Amino acid sequence: NAGVMQNPRHLVRRRGQEARLRCSPMKGHSHVYWYRQLPEEGLKFMVYLQKENIIDESGMPKERFSAEFPKEGPSILRIQQVVRGDSAAYFCASSQGSESPLHFGNGTRLTVT
Amino acid sequence: DAKTTQPPSMDCAEGRAANLPCNHSTISGNEYVYWYRQIHSQGPQYIIHGLKNNETNEMASLIITEDRKSSTLILPHATLRDTAVYYCIVRTNFGNEKLTFGTGTRLTIIP
Repeated sequence: NAGVMQNPRHLVRRRGQEARLRCSPMKGHSHVYWYRQLPEEGLKFMVYLQKENIIDESGMPKERFSAEFPKEGPSILRIQQVVRGDSAAYFCASSQGSESPLHFGNGTRLTVT
Repeated sequence: DAKTTQPPSMDCAEGRAANLPCNHSTISGNEYVYWYRQIHSQGPQYIIHGLKNNETNEMASLIITEDRKSSTLILPHATLRDTAVYYCIVRTNFGNEKLTFGTGTRLTIIP
């Protein structure tokens, strides 16, 4: 069984560009979570989605960041007009439901130059 | 805020049992104890979780005290590949409850 798939593994963007990070959950999982890990820091929750719905976005910056999990296709984390402070590892996790463990992908490492 | 307290670092000799403690004195009756680990540059890996009974799987054992205020993760025969940061997290298993990571314990397995 394939795990949580994230792509790209590495992404380089210049300041002001847009970054799109994709996450395909494990088969049968309809819950997706996004986390961010700044260099040498802990994992911080960003957003929790179910199919076509944002359930909890309390950790998402108010500007430039958005997330979606459409009925078909992967979940997308979108960062507009990236700045150097956005450089981090972004991890996606999925679960079958709120009573199931989260399973994480290996992340997308975003570097803003 | 993380609801758990863990030592920042521990060493363990290869082949020995690694016992990682966690305090969660404010745990609620409906909160589970979860353990994850993060090996350098990889995504967090689920290890085990439990409510009040001890649990065992192919990776580890989880011992939860009777009052549920603390727990211990046991890796029975540590290998070099077990070197990682280990996170103890409390989480309700209903509703839309995310995992809140603290700073964890950096476990180093010594050859």
